[in-house]
Parts: sequence; structure tokens; C-alpha cells
Amino acid sequence: DAGVIQSPRHEVTEMGQEVTLRCKPISGHNSLFWYRQTMMRGLELLIYFNNNVPIDDSGMPEDRFSAKMPNASFSTLKIQPSEPRDSAVYFCASRDRAGETQYFGPGTRLLVL
Amino acid sequence: GENVEQHPSTLSVQEGDSAVIKCTYSDSASNYFPWYKQELGKRPQLIIDIRSNVGEKKDQRIAVTLNKTAKHFSLHITETQPEDSAVYFCAARTGYSTLTFGKGTMLLVSP
Repeated sequence: DAGVIQSPRHEVTEMGQEVTLRCKPISGHNSLFWYRQTMMRGLELLIYFNNNVPIDDSGMPEDRFSAKMPNASFSTLKIQPSEPRDSAVYFCASRDRAGETQYFGPGTRLLVL
Repeated sequence: GENVEQHPSTLSVQEGDSAVIKCTYSDSASNYFPWYKQELGKRPQLIIDIRSNVGEKKDQRIAVTLNKTAKHFSLHITETQPEDSAVYFCAARTGYSTLTFGKGTMLLVSP
């Protein structure tokens, strides 16, 4: 099992540019979570999908952030336009139907200059 | 919503000592409490969890205790080793939805 896969692993971009982060959950898992981690705010839940449907997006900071899950094996988190305060590590995690454990991906380190 | 407070924010111990990290939660309906370990530059990984119908759980050198009345739970690491150095996060879940994480505790184990 390859685990949760995220790409890119590192992203450096300039303010105002569009950023797209990608996640492939563990096969068979039906819940997917996007988190943002910073020193100041810790680990924050951005959005939660269940069976490809967004269930809770109350953590999405503002309209510049959007997330999609077009199928069970792929999700994207998009920031447009990006700002320096978006610099953080973004984690994707997945959970299976019967379990309780969330398995995290390796994260994407985003730096917005 | 749920609120999870975690203390201390940093903890330094000597190798072989015990370490205790404490968390409190606000929602009495929370029923699942995992602990994650995150090494520098790595992803969070589950190390132990406890459900609301259990008061204590052990796995080798680590244990978790839960006091539902007081709404707090703790992680205990005995015989600490340098490889235990990491950031530890507690979390709480209400129902079968999302986890709310504490702010983390940086544990440093000195040889």
C-alpha cells in the first residue's frame, strides 16, 4: 500500500499566482481531509469529504480557497490568488469506512513570496 | 464546536525519565481521542488512541488515560528514548466526523 500520496511535495510561487495541490487517498478509503499546518495556528482542518461529497468546509479561510473531489481517488485544493500568509504545510489525510484512524500524506510545503 | 487545549507546549526530559502530556476538551459528546506523533519534517502518525468507553489503554512504553467527567486525557511515555523526541498532538472527535487537534507539545529527550 503506497499510503496517501500528495503532489507537489514543495511549491514556491509568487503572490497572486494560482496554486493547485493534489491528493490521492488510500484505495478504499471513503473520507478525505485537507489540513493546513503553521507554527502559529497548529493543525487546522480546512475541508472534509465523505464519499466524494464536501461535508464540512467551515475551515476554508476565504473564497480564495477551493477544493474538489471529482472521484474516490483524487482531490485538489486550489488557492487563487495566493498570498504570503498562505505559506504553510498542507496535509491530506484519508480514513476508511469502518475505521477511525486518519492516515496523513507527506504534505506539501508551500511558500508564497 | 469542539475545543482542545494541550499542555505543556514544550517538554524537556532526560533519557529514561517519564513524560506526561495533558489535554482537555470541551464537548462532552466527544467519543474518540487519538494521539499523533510528528517528527521534524514528517507527517503526523497515529501512536495510540482511546475511545470514550475505556479509561486507560497501554501499548508498550506509551499509555493514554481518559477522565470523561473532567473531560481530560493524557499521554504517558515511560523510559523515554532520544527517538521519542518529536511533536505530539492530541485530538478529539465528536460523533463520526472530524478531529479537532490540540496545538501540540514538542518533546525533547536528552541523552
